[in-house]
Amino acid sequence: DIHLTQSPSFLSASVGDRVIITCRASQVISSYLAWYQQKPGKAPKLLIYAASTLQSGVPSRFSGSASGAEFTLTISSLQPEDFATYYCQQPDSYPITFGQGTRLEIK
Amino acid sequence: EVQLVESGGGLVQPGGSLRLSCAASGFTFSDHYIDWVRQAPGKGLEWVGRSRNRAHSYTTESAASVKGRFTISRDDSKNSLYLQMKSLKTEDTALYYCARDGGDDVDAYDFWGQGTMVTVSS
Repeated sequence: DIHLTQSPSFLSASVGDRVIITCRASQVISSYLAWYQQKPGKAPKLLIYAASTLQSGVPSRFSGSASGAEFTLTISSLQPEDFATYYCQQPDSYPITFGQGTRLEIK
Repeated sequence: EVQLVESGGGLVQPGGSLRLSCAASGFTFSDHYIDWVRQAPGKGLEWVGRSRNRAHSYTTESAASVKGRFTISRDDSKNSLYLQMKSLKTEDTALYYCARDGGDDVDAYDFWGQGTMVTVSS
């Protein structure tokens, strides 16, 4: 199984801050990685797929990158609606796996 | 508009069975892989299984934790996906989502349902 480790698990930040969340895969997964945002009581929402492609309708302050087995999600300037939990996912190797999540809260 | 609507959740005793449904609309159902993903209360996301599309003969994959107990099927004439769950355990308690894989262009879940809650308890 491909294990995904997100860091940090919890992050406290302020509106306007630049935030970086990291997802490290236990083995090389090429560029097959997605990022989701989940707010309380809601289904996850796709933000980025193929490591760096922004899903249609997602604000450009979200971006993704990859370097080997390490992937990052960057939010360039936090907005109030960005406080949520973020998950990475590898969609291509069975079993499909998710990171444990990063909870982003308002400082 | 793409929509996925889950139903069939509820309270069931350990060892019992339940069948979840996922009704799809707004897209060509037979063209897409559709997955089940669950989330235990206060926990993260866990992949349950997959139904491939018509082009891949509707074959399925399942997580090791549910293999032999859960069965995924679909009825394209009804635009519906099903999750037949048996021998349920307390650790199967979760919100169950169905999610659409976007296909070759979007290798990720581009649409999700709202989820249906399954509680396994005596």
